[in-house]
Amino acid sequence: DAEITQSPRHKITETGRQVTLACHQTWNHNNMFWYRQDLGHGLRLIHYSYGVHDTNKGEVSDGYSVSRSNTEDLPLTLESAASSQTSVYFCASFENFRTEAFFGQGTRLTVV
Amino acid sequence: QKEVEQNSGPLSVPEGAIASLNCTYSDRVSQSFFWYRQYSGKSPELIMSIYSNGDKEDGRFTAQLNKASQYVSLLIRDSQPSDSATYLCAFTGGGQNFVFGPGTRLSVLP
Repeated sequence: DAEITQSPRHKITETGRQVTLACHQTWNHNNMFWYRQDLGHGLRLIHYSYGVHDTNKGEVSDGYSVSRSNTEDLPLTLESAASSQTSVYFCASFENFRTEAFFGQGTRLTVV
Repeated sequence: QKEVEQNSGPLSVPEGAIASLNCTYSDRVSQSFFWYRQYSGKSPELIMSIYSNGDKEDGRFTAQLNKASQYVSLLIRDSQPSDSATYLCAFTGGGQNFVFGPGTRLSVLP
């Protein structure tokens, strides 16, 4: 069965370190998004991609970057982790804007 | 105005009652609307999608869309304790991305 997986599930890192969160999907979807979820804010869009070599900034992109070298993967990098980036991160993929978005299990990131 | 607003929670209903969840959005070009359910500590999962004005029913769930009023709702009939979760409405924004609401937490009391 097709799936979307995130790793790691939990991560504790120190302020200033570079961190990369992995997202891998086997749906063969061109569209992949990264969100962060914090209490009171719901899901906020960080970066998204419509296909290989395409990346776009979302509403909360400062301090984050992504790259899309193949269809299956969209890694999210925190260039220099800050305590404000402590959150739960979700990756999602979907076929088109009329279909279901499939979410990974989430990564709980704590920056200390 | 925020892009999407949902009724503030938590919403508590007794088992067997109808739960009503509401969502308003600001983007008039939105075409597709979705309701996702998220259990605590889990990822969101799709309950229903709706694209046209009117009602759409699926089992105990009914989604209602009114594009003129920029309003979408979700009714859950015969609520069960297993329906206790956070419900997120979402729509495709004019910028061609999914925009999610803050969510409404529903508690169904046995």
